Amino acid sequence: EVQLVQSGAEVKKPGESLKISCKGSGYSFTTYWIGWVRQMPGKGLEWMGIIYPGDSDTRYSPSFQGQVTISADKSISTAYLQWSSLKASDTAMYYCARLARGRLDSWGQGTLVTVSS
Amino acid sequence: QSALTQPASVSGSPGQSITISCTGTSSDVGGYNYVSWYQQHPGKAPKLMIYDVSNRPSGVSNRFSGSKSGNTASLTISGLQVEDEADYYCSSYTSSSTLYVFGTGTKVTVL
Repeated sequence: EVQLVQSGAEVKKPGESLKISCKGSGYSFTTYWIGWVRQMPGKGLEWMGIIYPGDSDTRYSPSFQGQVTISADKSISTAYLQWSSLKASDTAMYYCARLARGRLDSWGQGTLVTVSS
Repeated sequence: QSALTQPASVSGSPGQSITISCTGTSSDVGGYNYVSWYQQHPGKAPKLMIYDVSNRPSGVSNRFSGSKSGNTASLTISGLQVEDEADYYCSSYTSSSTLYVFGTGTKVTVL
């Protein structure tokens, strides 16, 4: 069974750094892209970017380029999303999902990030 | 790259059929068959319902069907059930630098 398990909820202050994770199992982690999706409170889904764990090829949506860093460690089947300096506007639910030929076919449970002073 | 356009809400009575539209451009919906649909219940992660315009993943009810005409894709739910009440999002591959784009989302209410 394909599973993506994300790290737990985080509460941070503005200006702090953060790295959240997404661990894949039940499939060949290195041969599927992983996508990250943001959902702000009460709002819709937004593509942030994708990574191919096999060679760490990474593509960012222009809205998120320079705002976050997507990475992966294929040795432990884990993808990451990180911020160097959080803002209150980063408060959202973040999902990782497996990207298979244009569709997100398996999703993590989501990681809630709250940024508040 | 703007989000694909969906109606904010659609409603229907149990047993009825409803259709949700997803309008884009020739650079996304109209240009590729990588259109997918996702169902999201409150507090839950999205779930893939339709991929490649009209294909259903294993385990998804055949009450859900997808189609496309020009720059507009559609999701039809037939025999509407109470458990279909959720938010629905379309998504498409796009030739723009964003690579993929979601729709604005549609809240389905079962009356």
